[in-house]
Amino acid sequence: QITLKESGPTLVKPTQTLTLTCTFSGFSLGTSGVGVGWIRQPPGKALEWLALLYWDDDQRYSPSLESRLTITKDTSKNQVVLTMTNMDPVDAATYYCVRSFRVWLVPFFDYWGQGILVTVSS
Amino acid sequence: DIQMTQSPSSLSASVGDSVTITCRASQTINSHLNWYQQKSGKAPELLIYVAFNLQSGVPSRFRGSGSGTDFTLTISSLQPEDFATYYCQQSYSTPYTFGQGTKLDVK
Repeated sequence: QITLKESGPTLVKPTQTLTLTCTFSGFSLGTSGVGVGWIRQPPGKALEWLALLYWDDDQRYSPSLESRLTITKDTSKNQVVLTMTNMDPVDAATYYCVRSFRVWLVPFFDYWGQGILVTVSS
Repeated sequence: DIQMTQSPSSLSASVGDSVTITCRASQTINSHLNWYQQKSGKAPELLIYVAFNLQSGVPSRFRGSGSGTDFTLTISSLQPEDFATYYCQQSYSTPYTFGQGTKLDVK
């Protein structure tokens, strides 16, 4: 059974750095074609893809946020960590951890965590 | 960035109806198109990948089609559990962008 779970602060102050951890089970990030990434959703709004880390350490970032994002992994702990610097109230959203899998080289997000709601306020 | 535009933004239907949601990409994305369903307060779930492939466990009343820039999600014989918001998402190039969503509610 594949599961992912997000953890981290639910409240951060403006200008602070957000660090979110995704702890997953049921698959290995060492398996070819597998990735773990992050997607966010502001309240009442659409989904926004942020970052993705593949089994081969290939990192992909949303260009609009790339300067603020870092995605890393700890394979031994089955964890992926996302850091986002200089948080602003517009970054308030539910942040989802997702597993990415590829078929015919086309990635899709087949498993999602429950999400963590992050508020940005002083 | 590739822009994904869904229509309609909202849709009302009844149990047993058949509905179609359209997704248009701002440039060709071949068949690199996925569909997700999101129920209120829950995480999205994958319905269809690579335009027309049904994710394991998804009922066969869901059908995806299209290629290039125009795609459709058809739900036949709507069931009560199908009332939700649906998103398309392109995986042709990063950033992997989503449509704005189509909310399907009960007429």
